[in-house]
Amino acid sequence: EVQLLEAGGGVVQPGGSLRVSCAASGFTFSSYAMSWVRQAPGKGLEWVSGISASGGNTYYADSVKGRFSISRDNSKKTLYLQMNSLRADDTAVYYCAKEPVTSSRYFDSWGQGTLVTVSS
Amino acid sequence: DIRMTQSPTSLSASVGDGVTITCRASQSISNFLNWYQQRPGEAPKLLVYRASTLEGGVPSRFSGSGSGTDFTLTITGLQPEDFATYHCQQSYSSPTFGQGTRLEIK
Repeated sequence: EVQLLEAGGGVVQPGGSLRVSCAASGFTFSSYAMSWVRQAPGKGLEWVSGISASGGNTYYADSVKGRFSISRDNSKKTLYLQMNSLRADDTAVYYCAKEPVTSSRYFDSWGQGTLVTVSS
Repeated sequence: DIRMTQSPTSLSASVGDGVTITCRASQSISNFLNWYQQRPGEAPKLLVYRASTLEGGVPSRFSGSGSGTDFTLTITGLQPEDFATYHCQQSYSSPTFGQGTRLEIK
């Protein structure tokens, strides 16, 4: 069974940094592209960033480009999102999500999410 | 970015009813359209991919159709567990989602 377990959320001040992680199990992590998708309180879903299976290619939404960095450690079966220069509108539940096929750009498994709150 | 617009944003129905949710893309996306169900406090769950293919384990009362810019998700014979929020998402280019449709019990 595919399991994705996010961690690292919390409260951070505007302008601060935070790294969230996603531990994967139940599938061959190194074979699948992964993404981060966020959901602000009471709002819809927003794709944030994606990374290829090898980690060699990364992709970002314009809203986070230059501030967020996605990475993965296939030996640890873990996905990361480094978030810098955080703003109030980055407040959201951050989900990691798995793509079923390379470059499919949709998501067949999701974690339970980790809440990031940007507030002074 | 491709903008996705869902309608209605909310609707009420009774157990046993049928409902249709519409999703429109700001440009043609062929059949690169996916639907998710999200229950309160839970992560989204993939229901339909490539416009009309049901994900494994999804009940046959769910169906998707459409191509180009206009797509629909239809649920026949609503069950209590179907009352949730539904999101469409295009996978033609960098993923974007619709704003969601909340399906409530009448």
